[in-house]
Amino acid sequence: RKEVEQDPGPFNVPEGATVAFNCTYSNSASQSFFWYRQDCRKEPKLLMSVYSSGNEDGRFTAQLNRASQYISLLIRDSKLSDSATYLCVVNMYSSASKIIFGSGTRLSIRP
Amino acid sequence: EPEVTQTPSHQVTQMGQEVILRCVPISNHLYFYWYRQILGQKVEFLVSFYNNEISEKSEIFDDQFSVERPDGSNFTLKIRSTKLEDSAMYFCASSENSPLHFGNGTRLTVT
Repeated sequence: RKEVEQDPGPFNVPEGATVAFNCTYSNSASQSFFWYRQDCRKEPKLLMSVYSSGNEDGRFTAQLNRASQYISLLIRDSKLSDSATYLCVVNMYSSASKIIFGSGTRLSIRP
Repeated sequence: EPEVTQTPSHQVTQMGQEVILRCVPISNHLYFYWYRQILGQKVEFLVSFYNNEISEKSEIFDDQFSVERPDGSNFTLKIRSTKLEDSAMYFCASSENSPLHFGNGTRLTVT
């Protein structure tokens, strides 16, 4: 099983739609979780951390299910500028020594 | 806002040559990382560095690779004898614990 696994997409949705991504991780001892976005040929940028109780940042909502070892990201009222690759990122150990990226889910928003 | 800086932005080298990629992490960060991303593929963990030594390394990080923090500010990745398949974007990152803050990357082209 891959350490961090994501649906590669691509997701192609109209502006204003709601879209959800899931990610699973293999190590039940993983401590912290994040969503990053990556634009073409750019560095990954932190979108949001994922907290156990779930958290929201504007149009973005992240959820963590430790029992099932998956993380989700929900984007509401999608904008053209949301087009990017969304990367699920897992800190495999409590020491932050190994932080692994999923392969990314590509999102395209059409007008 | 403090940022991670990487130099050069693009490095072209011949197969078999040594290259050194340079990074200046954010000054109060404790953890340092190198990742690589082959064009069109996922962000792959190479190595993490903490307290002046390697914390974790991946299978990719073989004897051809080494890291150093020579002077308390720079963090370098050396590839001793480059291969064609080393062509990729190399990202440096740093963190206080997590999440990661990335530099803009160095595009390495091996010819």
